[in-house]
Amino acid sequence: QLQLQESGPGLVRPSETLSLICTVSGGSITNIDSYWGWVRQPPGRGLEWIATIYYTGTPHYNPSLKSRLTIAVDTSQNQFSLRLNSVTAADTAVYYCARRECSDISCVFDHWGQGTLVSVSS
Amino acid sequence: QSVLTQPPSVSAAPGQKVTISCSGSSSNIGKTFVSWYQLLPLTAPKLLIYDNDKRPSGIPDRFSGSKSGTSATLDITGLQTGDEADYFCGSWDSSLNVVIFGGGTKLTVL
Repeated sequence: QLQLQESGPGLVRPSETLSLICTVSGGSITNIDSYWGWVRQPPGRGLEWIATIYYTGTPHYNPSLKSRLTIAVDTSQNQFSLRLNSVTAADTAVYYCARRECSDISCVFDHWGQGTLVSVSS
Repeated sequence: QSVLTQPPSVSAAPGQKVTISCSGSSSNIGKTFVSWYQLLPLTAPKLLIYDNDKRPSGIPDRFSGSKSGTSATLDITGLQTGDEADYFCGSWDSSLNVVIFGGGTKLTVL
């Protein structure tokens, strides 16, 4: 059974960089039909897609966050990561990592981590 | 403000049926597929419906999805207290070139 687990600091200071890692187990991050992504949910608000990456390293960023984002994949560790710089209180959210499985006609987030709360505060 | 519009909350009694709507536009729901997710506190979100009306293995047939034009719906029949959760629709927007979600609907089983 595919499992994803987020890890990283729960508190980040304003203007600093938020860094998270997602460890994938029970399957390979190099699966050809799989993309890997990040989604967040600010308190009391809806889900927001952040970014997605393929195992070859090709990223796809949400334009609203692109200037502050870096997503990367480490196939040797079966992990992918997120870096969001110059954070503000508006970046406080539960951050989820997820697999985006793609068929010939569509893509869907079919497996998710349980999420990690990241608070931005001094 | 989310690109897809959902009612903030719905409620119904155990055993009853509830419908959650998701309204979009011609650049998202009207052009591609809709998925539905269940979020419970401290647990991984669960995919309930993909490609508008398909259920992943393990999802009971009490959960069903449909799409018409630029709107989609999630129906849950035979409500159980364990169904109390937040439900989100998701799609792709070809104009914005982003994955999009609804604002979420909180289901209360009275």
